[in-house]
Amino acid sequence: TQLLEQSPQFLSIQEGENLTVYCNSSSVFSSLQWYRQEPGEGPVLLVTVVTGGEVKKLKRLTFQFGDARKDSSLHITAAQPGDTGLYLCAGIVTSGTYKYIFGTGTRLKVLA
Amino acid sequence: GAGVSQSPSNKVTEKGKDVELRCDPISGHTALYWYRQSLGQGLEFLIYFQGNSAPDKSGLPSDRFSAERTGGSVSTLTIQRTQQEDSAVYLCASSLDVSGHEQFFGPGTRLTVL
Repeated sequence: TQLLEQSPQFLSIQEGENLTVYCNSSSVFSSLQWYRQEPGEGPVLLVTVVTGGEVKKLKRLTFQFGDARKDSSLHITAAQPGDTGLYLCAGIVTSGTYKYIFGTGTRLKVLA
Repeated sequence: GAGVSQSPSNKVTEKGKDVELRCDPISGHTALYWYRQSLGQGLEFLIYFQGNSAPDKSGLPSDRFSAERTGGSVSTLTIQRTQQEDSAVYLCASSLDVSGHEQFFGPGTRLTVL
């Protein structure tokens, strides 16, 4: 069974602080996605990383894919209350068919 | 609408009853996925459909769960003889195909089994 562990599970910080969320697995993924989910809604894609060591930036969010394509991190600079939500990583496995393995989730709350 | 829609948004049922959950994917999307999410945690893969290929049912937790996709569009997830542990949010997503494209999620159906 392929698992994607995220840490921390919960995070409550003050506006303006920085934070990093980790997504780890023992499995290799062909690519990895990060989603954000708000209450009562489905997850929404933030980014897809494909190449080992790849770094992508989306405004104040920086995403990195591990060199071995087994792990990833999401770093948020100067967090805002609007960043509050559930962050999910999803590793994509391509072994005959494509399968998305979702992480355990990190619930972030940014206090004003 | 242009997005993925699901119905009903909420479903309360009694233990032992059957339920049907519906998903309308984005027009033109050939891939459709069902996930289960408990207590705002991560998503558990249930089943996916890709075009006319046989569905990947490897995530279905028991034979009480089944799904079909008619005409390559609308999908129905059926849970027979519901149990309390089936209570969760059931999410549907569609994508252009299964080549690792973005998944577009519906708002989910919150199922409560009493």
